[in-house]
Amino acid sequence: RKEVEQDPGPFNVPEGATVAFNCTYSNSASQSFFWYRQDCRKEPKLLMSVYSSGNEDGRFTAQLNRASQYISLLIRDSKLSDSATYLCVVNNRDDKIIFGKGTRLHILP
Amino acid sequence: SQTIHQWPATLVQPVGSPLSLECTVEGTSNPNLYWYRQAAGRGLQLLFYSVGIGQISSEVPQNLSASRPQDRQFILSSKKLLLSDSGFYLCAWSIAGGATYEQYFGPGTRLTVT
Repeated sequence: RKEVEQDPGPFNVPEGATVAFNCTYSNSASQSFFWYRQDCRKEPKLLMSVYSSGNEDGRFTAQLNRASQYISLLIRDSKLSDSATYLCVVNNRDDKIIFGKGTRLHILP
Repeated sequence: SQTIHQWPATLVQPVGSPLSLECTVEGTSNPNLYWYRQAAGRGLQLLFYSVGIGQISSEVPQNLSASRPQDRQFILSSKKLLLSDSGFYLCAWSIAGGATYEQYFGPGTRLTVT
């Protein structure tokens, strides 16, 4: 099993719809979790951290399920500007940082 | 506020030529620093990380090397580039010892080896 796995997509979603994607991780000792957004030919930018209790930032909601070892990202009322690749990041106790390969999201007008 | 700079933004180099990419961070002290490579259509690959001046850890053996001559300066080098070295090179920083370990990326250098 890969350390961090994401569905590569693309997810083609109409504007205004809700979209969700998951990221699974293999190391049960993983400590911290993040979602990054990467636009084409740009650097990744931190979207949000993922807390054990789940967290919300505007239209974005992140959740962590330690029992099943996955994190999720939910985007409500999607905008054209949400089109990007979303990277899942997992940090382990030994400071090893693992990036997923990303999920591509296309918001359709 | 903290900022991270990388240069050059783009670079075209012939096979066998040397390489030097520079990254500097402003507005923070004793950051952890990272070099990543992203090949076309692929995920981020961690190349090196540093927790302090002169302290470099290598994640992947290859013909690249890294140095940290100053607290907020991180340099990626190669003596002889290979075609397979082409890619998008990203420098990142995080707070040292921070519980959250968020990383912040520079704008990247797009390297094409011809």
